[in-house]
Amino acid sequence: DAGVTQSPTHLIKTRGQQVTLRCSPKSGHDTVSWYQQALGQGPQFIFQYYEEEERQRGNFPDRFSGHQFPNYSSELNVNALLLGDSALYLCASSQGVGANVLTFGAGSRLTVL
Amino acid sequence: AQSVTQPDIHITVSEGASLELRCNYSYGATPYLFWYVQSPGQGLQLLLKYFSGDTLVQGIKGFEAEFKRSQSSFNLRKPSVHWSDAAEYFCAVGSYSGGGADGLTFGKGTHLIIQP
Repeated sequence: DAGVTQSPTHLIKTRGQQVTLRCSPKSGHDTVSWYQQALGQGPQFIFQYYEEEERQRGNFPDRFSGHQFPNYSSELNVNALLLGDSALYLCASSQGVGANVLTFGAGSRLTVL
Repeated sequence: AQSVTQPDIHITVSEGASLELRCNYSYGATPYLFWYVQSPGQGLQLLLKYFSGDTLVQGIKGFEAEFKRSQSSFNLRKPSVHWSDAAEYFCAVGSYSGGGADGLTFGKGTHLIIQP
């Protein structure tokens, strides 16, 4: 049973560019959340998608946007990249929007030069 | 706003010795709490969770944690550590609002080093 898969695993961008990260949830899960983990820090909640809509959002600017597809997979888009956007981006899936356990992927490591 | 404090950035323990990682949270109502472990280059793996009921919870790999409401703490323990336990450990707190669960709030993590 495949867990949460994320792509790409690593990527390098320059300031001002745009990036798209992708996530396929664990089988049976319909909710996807995205977290940003800066070096030496704990993950920070970006947003959560359920039923193809953004259900909740953390304290991140509008440069961060997302999408959920009918098959529950999700994308995270970041526009106008800043050096401070360099981080590990973690996708987590769960079943429903209750207080459920999140299953995390291995992450996408973004470096902005 | 809820918050999580992990006071120890690094902890060094000898293999076979006992371990306790501290976690304090700030939240108005009854939270639900997690401990996750992260190995280098990996995502987060759930060790254990507390939602309600028995305040002493058992997890995987021989870990346990105790929820103490009076101290706003959820410390992680293991009686005897193994070299493979070396990793980064994160405490996280969750809450409810708007008919569902909010995104988790994580601590900054504790880096566990195992001495042979």
